[in-house]
Amino acid sequence: GIQVEQSPPDLILQEGANSTLRCNFSDSVNNLQWFHQNPWGQLINLFYIPSGTKQNGRLSATTVATERYSLLYISSSQTTDSGVYFCAVEGRWETSGSRLTFGEGTQLTVNP
Amino acid sequence: EPEVTQTPSHQVTQMGQEVILRCVPISNHLYFYWYRQILGQKVEFLVSFYNNEISEKSEIFDDQFSVERPDGSNFTLKIRSTKLEDSAMYFCASDKRTSGFYEQYFGPGTRLTVT
Repeated sequence: GIQVEQSPPDLILQEGANSTLRCNFSDSVNNLQWFHQNPWGQLINLFYIPSGTKQNGRLSATTVATERYSLLYISSSQTTDSGVYFCAVEGRWETSGSRLTFGEGTQLTVNP
Repeated sequence: EPEVTQTPSHQVTQMGQEVILRCVPISNHLYFYWYRQILGQKVEFLVSFYNNEISEKSEIFDDQFSVERPDGSNFTLKIRSTKLEDSAMYFCASDKRTSGFYEQYFGPGTRLTVT
């Protein structure tokens, strides 16, 4: 099945700093989503971005489908940005089905 | 904005007991999913459901698991005889998969603790 790799696994920032999280995937995709898992364990959907660029406040994401990677940018980080960020993809081909395959996540810690 | 809901938010059960986790997908969605996340690990796919039947299942989804859409709104996951290793967060998701739009919407999860 499709493989998803996220980097870095851990990231520690000071409040106000910017960061870039990366997601590499091994095949063509129908769907790529970025999630933030909050301290209560809920998966908060940040972006649906199988290709192109989107922005939402201090967060933005870019997916270069032809090169099989996506980037999540967090600017002016706040302590509330702390948590685990997951990338999840759905492979394009029938053998992949419609399941989302998740990466291992990036654990982000923002210190005051 | 419509959202996926799940009940209960937290369930504690004894090993060997049956549990049913409930989900209400978004009303005009046609594809339904269950995922699970063992504490500290990544989210894993369990099963997908479409047109009142399982369309795909992972190797995790063995005979102890079953899914059902008993009416027009609910989607349930049943674990027949729980094991300690079934302790996890279980997420329900749904999508409508029309016009090339594949975004899946996730519920808040049910934390299952097996003692």
